[in-house]
Amino acid sequence: AQSVTQPDIHITVSEGASLELRCNYSYGATPYLFWYVQSPGQGLQLLLKYFSGDTLVQGIKGFEAEFKRSQSSFNLRKPSVHWSDAAEYFCAVGGDFGNEKLTFGTGTRLTIIP
Amino acid sequence: GAGVSQTPSNKVTEKGKYVELRCDPISGHTALYWYRQSLGQGPEFLIYFQGTGAADDSGLPNDRFFAVRPEGSVSTLKIQRTERGDSAVYLCASSKQSYTGELFFGEGSRLTVL
Repeated sequence: AQSVTQPDIHITVSEGASLELRCNYSYGATPYLFWYVQSPGQGLQLLLKYFSGDTLVQGIKGFEAEFKRSQSSFNLRKPSVHWSDAAEYFCAVGGDFGNEKLTFGTGTRLTIIP
Repeated sequence: GAGVSQTPSNKVTEKGKYVELRCDPISGHTALYWYRQSLGQGPEFLIYFQGTGAADDSGLPNDRFFAVRPEGSVSTLKIQRTERGDSAVYLCASSKQSYTGELFFGEGSRLTVL
């Protein structure tokens, strides 16, 4: 069965500092991987996705993620965070042909301090 | 509308009552999904529609839960004989086409069962 682990429940980062959110997955085949962000009062929004090809994928809002098959990881990064990045971040696996359902991790809450 | 619309945004009901939650997807999106998000958890897949038919309902927890999408647009999630454990935020998402993982989520309907 597919699963996602986000080991960090809550992370606090200073504005302007770099960010890395961890995600480990379990999936029987080549995974389709996603990062979604959930801001207060807003629906989940897709940040980026990995299907195949280049293992470093770029997303919206200056985020990027790197797929590492050997580590079963898909960590999210941003070189310099802004106060508006404070939100809940979810990693997900699935969504490929024959497997429409996404399996989400439990999320990482990001707090930004001035 | 511009995004996925869910009504009601908040629903408080008593144990044993019947509840309906409505989802209006983005116009032209053929795929529609229902997820459930409990406190401190990531979204959990319930059901997926492609057009009018439920293509995958494997996430529905039991036969008290049912969803329809009679005309391939608006969907209703129906919960019979509600229990306190049904309390959660019910999320609806739509997608222009299947198998992309690019879901557009609504803000959710928060259900509280007393």
